[in-house]
Amino acid sequence: NAGVMQNPRHLVRRRGQEARLRCSPMKGHSHVYWYRQLPEEGLKFMVYLQKENIIDESGMPKERFSAEFPKEGPSILRIQQVVRGDSAAYFCASSPVLAGDNEQFFGPGTRLTVL
Amino acid sequence: RKEVEQDPGPFNVPEGATVAFNCTYSNSASQSFFWYRQDCRKEPKLLMSVYSSGNEDGRFTAQLNRASQYISLLIRDSKLSDSATYLCVVSYSIYNQGGKLIFGQGTELSVKP
Repeated sequence: NAGVMQNPRHLVRRRGQEARLRCSPMKGHSHVYWYRQLPEEGLKFMVYLQKENIIDESGMPKERFSAEFPKEGPSILRIQQVVRGDSAAYFCASSPVLAGDNEQFFGPGTRLTVL
Repeated sequence: RKEVEQDPGPFNVPEGATVAFNCTYSNSASQSFFWYRQDCRKEPKLLMSVYSSGNEDGRFTAQLNRASQYISLLIRDSKLSDSATYLCVVSYSIYNQGGKLIFGQGTELSVKP
């Protein structure tokens, strides 16, 4: 059973470009979470999605960031007009979600560098 | 105040030592509790879930005190391979579904020969 997959693993963008980060959850998992880890900081929740629905986006910056999890295909985190402050590791996690338990399994992350 | 607060690190200990990490959380609605470890800023990996009755997995023992909103992790007979950053994590479900994980800032452990 393959784990959570993310690509690309490393992404370099110039200021003003767009970044697209992809996440394929573990087989059988229908819930996806995105977290961001800025340099020298802890992980911060960004967004929680189920297929075709955003459940909780309380951690998403108000502008330039969007996320989707379509019926078919991976979840996408999209950052428009990137700035240097967007440089971070972006981790995706998935869970099968059983009531009363919320173990999440993390992918290897995408390291975004904005020049 | 941060939602999850951990001991500041780093902890530098010799092999074989016993080391304890402490963590407090502020949201009494928190329902699930975990310790994750993160190596060199790679992806976090679940070390163990934490239950009210306390639980043990080999050299690792986790305790939860809901009244004090306090979580602990004890590592006995520490190994060089235990060197990592230990993350205290809490979660609460939304409408009986999954919910976001709230991470502490992590405590770095370095085990020396």
